Amino acid sequence: SQTIHQWPATLVQPVGSPLSLECTVEGTSNPNLYWYRQAAGRGLQLLFYSVGIGQISSEVPQNLSASRPQDRQFILSSKKLLLSDSGFYLCAWSVGGTSSPLHFGNGTRLTVT
Amino acid sequence: AQSVTQLDSQVPVFEEAPVELRCNYSSSVSVYLFWYVQYPNQGLQLLLKYLSGSTLVKGINGFEAEFNKSQTSFHLRKPSVHISDTAEYFCAVSSYSGSARQLTFGSGTQLTVLP
Repeated sequence: SQTIHQWPATLVQPVGSPLSLECTVEGTSNPNLYWYRQAAGRGLQLLFYSVGIGQISSEVPQNLSASRPQDRQFILSSKKLLLSDSGFYLCAWSVGGTSSPLHFGNGTRLTVT
Repeated sequence: AQSVTQLDSQVPVFEEAPVELRCNYSSSVSVYLFWYVQYPNQGLQLLLKYLSGSTLVKGINGFEAEFNKSQTSFHLRKPSVHISDTAEYFCAVSSYSGSARQLTFGSGTQLTVLP
């Protein structure tokens, strides 16, 4: 069966420090991969999605970047964190087309101080 | 462009009472519909999905939803809720537009089940 791993679960970082969040998927090949952010009391904001290795689409301009160095690995990064980067970050995967649901990891709670 | 509206941001309900969480969408093309549940500090878990066929779909944890094409709605229902159903619920719409998939989530409904 397919599983998704996301780490760390929680992270407290000072303003201006770098960030690296990692997500890996097991049990499937060539998944579509997504990074979402939830700010406190708000809905889901799509940050990046990827349909293959090295293929990244950015949905909103921001202080973050994403990379997909391997088929089932998706990394969210920042060179210098801002206070506004605080939030709950969710990785998700899907396979197939428009009718396929997304499957989410357990998320990373990031607090920038 | 498509959109999803979850009409109630918060729904309080007493234990063992029925509940309906409302979701309306707009889209110019055919859509697929999903409901997700999110417990505190966890990711989203798929509750159910409508792809085609019967407009009444059953999901996990005793939830069901009905697709109404004429009213462009996909309301989620449960006949008798439990304390453990307290969570945030998200409706999502998926379609193919142009050359890419469009997946849109609603803003969520916080269901609070009271003893």
